Amino acid sequence: DIQMTQSPSPLSASVGDRVTITCRASQTIGTSLNWYQQKPGTAPKLLIYGASSLQSGVPSRFSGSGSGTDFTLTIHNLQPEDFATYYCQQSYSSLITFGPGTKVDIK
Amino acid sequence: EVQLLESGGALVQPGGSLRLSCAASGFPFSSHTMNWVRQAPGKGLEWVSGISGSGATSDYADSVKGRFTISRDNSKNTLKLQMNSLRAEDTAVYFCAKENSRDGDFENWGQGTLVTVSS
Repeated sequence: DIQMTQSPSPLSASVGDRVTITCRASQTIGTSLNWYQQKPGTAPKLLIYGASSLQSGVPSRFSGSGSGTDFTLTIHNLQPEDFATYYCQQSYSSLITFGPGTKVDIK
Repeated sequence: EVQLLESGGALVQPGGSLRLSCAASGFPFSSHTMNWVRQAPGKGLEWVSGISGSGATSDYADSVKGRFTISRDNSKNTLKLQMNSLRAEDTAVYFCAKENSRDGDFENWGQGTLVTVSS
């Protein structure tokens, strides 16, 4: 199975900050990498698919990059509603795996 | 509008069985791979199982292989998860999720149903 790791966790930040979360796959996965945001008590929400494509309706302050094994999610000008947990997910293999999550909390 | 509505969650004893359902609407159900993802209390997301649009192929996480069975009824737009030999570590909120063919991303999720395995 493809293992996914994320760093840092947790991540403390302030409103207005630029935040970068890193995700690493245990083997190359091309650009089959997706990012989700989850707030307590709710289902995950798709932010980025195909490593860098912004899901419809997601604010442009979210961006994704990377290919192969190393990926990043960047949030520019962090807003109060962005404090949440972020997960990466590989869809390269039919045995899908998620990263352990990165909780972004208030500094 | 895409809607996914899970049901069937309950309190069950270790070794018991449970069947979850996910009613789908608002999209061509048979055209999409569907998945189950779970989240144990205070923990991260764990993919459980997926099934192709036709139902011909399915995959399972190692943690549930041999105990859980995924199925779908395309005539009723319904996804199911039969869970047998349940263990305490299966306690979680179970989400159904619609997979996009573009990149295998999960664009739509249900609200989840809670399964508690305890004596």
